[in-house]
Amino acid sequence: GESVGLHLPTLSVQEGDNSIINCAYSNSASDYFIWYKQESGKGPQFIIDIRSNMDKRQGQRVTVLLNKTVKHLSLQIAATQPGDSAVYFCAERSFSGGYNKLIFGAGTRLAVHP
Amino acid sequence: DTEVTQTPKHLVMGMTNKKSLKCEQHMGHRAMYWYKQKAKKPPELMFVYSYEKLSINESVPSRFSPECPNSSLLNLHLHALQPEDSALYLCASNTPGRPNYGYTFGSGTRLTVV
Repeated sequence: GESVGLHLPTLSVQEGDNSIINCAYSNSASDYFIWYKQESGKGPQFIIDIRSNMDKRQGQRVTVLLNKTVKHLSLQIAATQPGDSAVYFCAERSFSGGYNKLIFGAGTRLAVHP
Repeated sequence: DTEVTQTPKHLVMGMTNKKSLKCEQHMGHRAMYWYKQKAKKPPELMFVYSYEKLSINESVPSRFSPECPNSSLLNLHLHALQPEDSALYLCASNTPGRPNYGYTFGSGTRLTVV
Protein backbone atom coordinates (compact mmCIF):
# COMPACT_ATOMS: atom_id res chain seq x y z
CA GLY A 1 0.00 0.00 0.00
CA GLU A 2 0.92 3.69 -0.05
CA SER A 3 1.72 5.78 2.96
CA VAL A 4 2.97 9.27 3.56
CA GLY A 5 5.85 9.45 6.01
CA LEU A 6 7.38 12.45 7.65
CA HIS A 7 9.41 13.34 4.58
CA LEU A 8 8.89 10.97 1.70
CA PRO A 9 5.81 9.02 0.64
CA THR A 10 6.48 5.29 0.43
CA LEU A 11 4.91 2.71 -1.85
CA SER A 12 5.27 -0.88 -0.64
CA VAL A 13 4.70 -3.69 -3.14
CA GLN A 14 5.25 -7.43 -3.38
CA GLU A 15 7.84 -8.74 -5.77
CA GLY A 16 6.19 -9.54 -9.08
CA ASP A 17 3.35 -7.07 -8.66
CA ASN A 18 2.95 -3.99 -10.83
CA SER A 19 3.81 -0.61 -9.29
CA ILE A 20 2.30 2.78 -10.06
CA ILE A 21 4.06 5.90 -8.87
CA ASN A 22 2.30 9.22 -9.27
CA CYS A 23 3.50 12.77 -9.61
CA ALA A 24 1.78 16.14 -9.85
CA TYR A 25 3.73 18.76 -11.75
CA SER A 26 3.42 22.48 -11.34
CA ASN A 27 3.87 24.30 -14.64
CA SER A 28 1.30 23.83 -17.40
CA ALA A 29 3.86 25.23 -19.87
CA SER A 30 6.41 22.46 -19.17
CA ASP A 31 7.12 20.61 -22.39
CA TYR A 32 9.18 17.61 -21.35
CA PHE A 33 9.16 15.22 -18.41
CA ILE A 34 11.58 12.65 -17.06
CA TRP A 35 11.35 9.91 -14.46
CA TYR A 36 14.53 9.27 -12.46
CA LYS A 37 15.47 6.47 -10.10
CA GLN A 38 17.83 7.30 -7.24
CA GLU A 39 19.47 4.65 -5.13
CA SER A 40 21.10 5.43 -1.82
CA GLY A 41 24.37 7.33 -2.23
CA LYS A 42 23.99 7.70 -5.99
CA GLY A 43 22.88 10.36 -8.41
CA PRO A 44 19.53 10.25 -10.25
CA GLN A 45 19.45 7.65 -13.01
CA PHE A 46 17.34 8.25 -16.14
CA ILE A 47 14.45 5.79 -16.55
CA ILE A 48 12.11 7.14 -19.21
CA ASP A 49 11.00 10.46 -20.65
CA ILE A 50 7.98 11.88 -22.44
CA ARG A 51 7.24 15.03 -24.39
CA SER A 52 4.15 17.09 -23.74
CA ASN A 53 2.69 16.22 -27.16
CA MET A 54 2.38 12.58 -26.09
CA ASP A 55 0.20 10.93 -23.44
CA LYS A 56 1.93 7.57 -23.16
CA ARG A 57 5.36 6.12 -23.74
CA GLN A 58 6.61 2.61 -23.08
CA GLY A 59 10.05 1.31 -22.28
CA GLN A 60 11.34 -1.97 -21.00
CA ARG A 61 9.03 -2.90 -18.09
CA VAL A 62 8.16 0.78 -17.61
CA THR A 63 5.38 3.00 -18.95
CA VAL A 64 4.91 6.71 -18.42
CA LEU A 65 1.48 8.30 -18.69
CA LEU A 66 0.95 12.04 -18.99
CA ASN A 67 -2.36 13.80 -18.29
CA LYS A 68 -1.90 17.46 -19.12
CA THR A 69 -5.47 18.35 -18.16
CA VAL A 70 -4.79 17.70 -14.49
CA LYS A 71 -0.98 18.09 -14.66
CA HIS A 72 -0.36 14.53 -13.61
CA LEU A 73 2.37 12.08 -14.50
CA SER A 74 2.61 8.43 -13.57
CA LEU A 75 5.25 5.71 -13.82
CA GLN A 76 4.14 2.12 -14.13
CA ILE A 77 6.65 -0.63 -13.42
CA ALA A 78 5.65 -4.12 -14.51
CA ALA A 79 6.66 -7.21 -12.52
CA THR A 80 8.46 -5.18 -9.85
CA GLN A 81 11.76 -6.64 -8.70
CA PRO A 82 13.81 -6.10 -5.50
CA GLY A 83 16.33 -4.16 -7.60
CA ASP A 84 13.61 -1.60 -8.32
CA SER A 85 13.68 -0.49 -4.67
CA ALA A 86 14.77 3.15 -4.71
CA VAL A 87 13.43 6.69 -4.59
CA TYR A 88 11.70 7.79 -7.78
CA PHE A 89 11.48 11.43 -8.88
CA CYS A 90 9.59 13.00 -11.71
CA ALA A 91 11.12 16.11 -13.26
CA GLU A 92 9.66 18.74 -15.57
CA ARG A 93 11.46 21.00 -18.00
CA SER A 94 10.34 24.60 -17.93
CA PHE A 95 11.66 27.86 -19.26
CA SER A 96 12.95 30.82 -17.30
CA GLY A 97 14.45 33.95 -18.81
CA GLY A 98 14.96 32.24 -22.15
CA TYR A 99 16.71 29.22 -20.66
CA ASN A 100 15.35 25.82 -19.76
CA LYS A 101 15.68 24.21 -16.38
CA LEU A 102 14.76 20.83 -14.95
CA ILE A 103 12.70 20.96 -11.76
CA PHE A 104 12.13 17.88 -9.60
CA GLY A 105 8.98 16.72 -7.84
CA ALA A 106 8.92 15.57 -4.23
CA GLY A 107 9.79 11.91 -4.81
CA THR A 108 8.35 8.54 -3.80
CA ARG A 109 10.20 5.69 -2.13
CA LEU A 110 9.43 2.29 -3.65
CA ALA A 111 9.96 -0.65 -1.29
CA VAL A 112 9.75 -4.09 -2.90
CA HIS A 113 9.18 -7.04 -0.57
CA PRO A 114 9.97 -10.66 -1.50
CA ASP B 1 32.05 8.08 -22.54
CA THR B 2 28.48 8.51 -21.30
CA GLU B 3 29.19 9.64 -17.77
CA VAL B 4 29.32 12.75 -15.65
CA THR B 5 32.22 12.40 -13.20
CA GLN B 6 32.26 14.29 -9.91
CA THR B 7 35.15 14.64 -7.49
CA PRO B 8 35.63 14.30 -4.65
CA LYS B 9 32.93 11.79 -3.65
CA HIS B 10 33.05 12.93 -0.05
CA LEU B 11 34.25 16.19 1.48
CA VAL B 12 34.39 17.41 5.06
CA MET B 13 35.25 21.06 5.54
CA GLY B 14 35.30 23.62 8.30
CA MET B 15 33.33 26.83 8.14
CA THR B 16 36.47 28.86 7.45
CA ASN B 17 37.82 26.59 4.72
CA LYS B 18 37.87 27.11 0.97
CA LYS B 19 37.27 24.07 -1.16
CA SER B 20 36.12 23.24 -4.69
CA LEU B 21 33.91 20.59 -6.22
CA LYS B 22 34.69 19.40 -9.72
CA CYS B 23 32.47 18.02 -12.46
CA GLU B 24 33.60 16.66 -15.84
CA GLN B 25 31.81 15.27 -18.89
CA HIS B 26 33.08 14.25 -22.32
CA MET B 27 29.76 13.73 -24.07
CA GLY B 28 29.93 17.04 -25.91
CA HIS B 29 27.10 18.43 -23.83
CA ARG B 30 26.89 22.23 -23.88
CA ALA B 31 24.81 22.84 -20.76
CA MET B 32 25.91 21.97 -17.24
CA TYR B 33 24.04 22.22 -13.97
CA TRP B 34 24.64 22.24 -10.22
CA TYR B 35 21.96 20.85 -7.93
CA LYS B 36 21.84 20.61 -4.14
CA GLN B 37 20.04 17.70 -2.49
CA LYS B 38 19.24 17.44 1.21
CA ALA B 39 18.31 14.10 2.73
CA LYS B 40 14.91 12.76 1.66
CA LYS B 41 14.33 15.79 -0.56
CA PRO B 42 14.42 16.28 -4.32
CA PRO B 43 17.42 17.90 -5.99
CA GLU B 44 17.14 21.70 -6.07
CA LEU B 45 18.60 23.65 -8.98
CA MET B 46 21.41 26.06 -8.08
CA PHE B 47 23.13 27.14 -11.32
CA VAL B 48 22.88 26.57 -15.06
CA TYR B 49 25.70 27.12 -17.55
CA SER B 50 24.80 27.18 -21.21
CA TYR B 51 27.68 27.28 -23.73
CA GLU B 52 30.07 28.14 -20.89
CA LYS B 53 28.04 31.16 -19.81
CA LEU B 54 26.13 31.40 -16.54
CA SER B 55 22.48 31.52 -17.58
CA ILE B 56 20.59 30.79 -14.36
CA ASN B 57 21.47 31.52 -10.73
CA GLU B 58 18.62 30.45 -8.47
CA SER B 59 19.37 33.11 -5.84
CA VAL B 60 22.20 31.05 -4.41
CA PRO B 61 24.26 32.69 -1.60
CA SER B 62 27.59 34.14 -2.74
CA ARG B 63 29.52 31.66 -0.59
CA PHE B 64 28.88 29.30 -3.53
CA SER B 65 30.74 30.41 -6.65
CA PRO B 66 30.40 28.42 -9.89
CA GLU B 67 32.93 28.38 -12.68
CA CYS B 68 32.89 26.82 -16.14
CA PRO B 69 36.47 26.89 -17.52
CA ASN B 70 35.51 25.02 -20.70
CA SER B 71 32.68 22.99 -22.18
CA SER B 72 33.75 19.81 -20.36
CA LEU B 73 34.40 21.16 -16.88
CA LEU B 74 32.27 22.71 -14.17
CA ASN B 75 33.51 23.75 -10.75
CA LEU B 76 31.77 24.90 -7.61
CA HIS B 77 33.97 26.95 -5.28
CA LEU B 78 32.98 26.93 -1.64
CA HIS B 79 33.93 29.50 0.97
CA ALA B 80 32.70 30.25 4.50
CA LEU B 81 29.95 27.65 4.36
CA GLN B 82 27.48 26.96 7.14
CA PRO B 83 26.54 23.56 8.64
CA GLU B 84 23.15 23.80 6.90
CA ASP B 85 24.99 23.71 3.57
CA SER B 86 25.80 20.06 4.23
CA ALA B 87 24.15 18.11 1.42
CA LEU B 88 24.72 16.01 -1.68
CA TYR B 89 25.85 18.27 -4.54
CA LEU B 90 24.94 16.91 -7.95
CA CYS B 91 26.22 17.92 -11.35
CA ALA B 92 24.29 17.27 -14.56
CA SER B 93 24.78 17.97 -18.23
CA ASN B 94 22.85 17.93 -21.49
CA THR B 95 22.70 19.60 -24.85
CA PRO B 96 19.82 21.99 -25.32
CA GLY B 97 17.69 21.16 -28.31
CA ARG B 98 18.72 17.53 -28.66
CA PRO B 99 15.69 15.25 -29.25
CA ASN B 100 15.86 13.54 -25.91
CA TYR B 101 17.59 16.41 -24.12
CA GLY B 102 19.87 13.85 -22.49
CA TYR B 103 20.03 15.11 -18.93
CA THR B 104 22.73 12.99 -17.29
CA PHE B 105 23.65 13.21 -13.61
CA GLY B 106 26.85 12.44 -11.78
CA SER B 107 26.93 10.48 -8.52
CA GLY B 108 27.43 13.62 -6.49
CA THR B 109 29.75 14.95 -3.79
CA ARG B 110 28.60 14.35 -0.24
CA LEU B 111 29.57 17.56 1.58
CA THR B 112 29.69 17.88 5.36
CA VAL B 113 30.36 21.30 6.91
CA VAL B 114 31.59 21.17 10.49
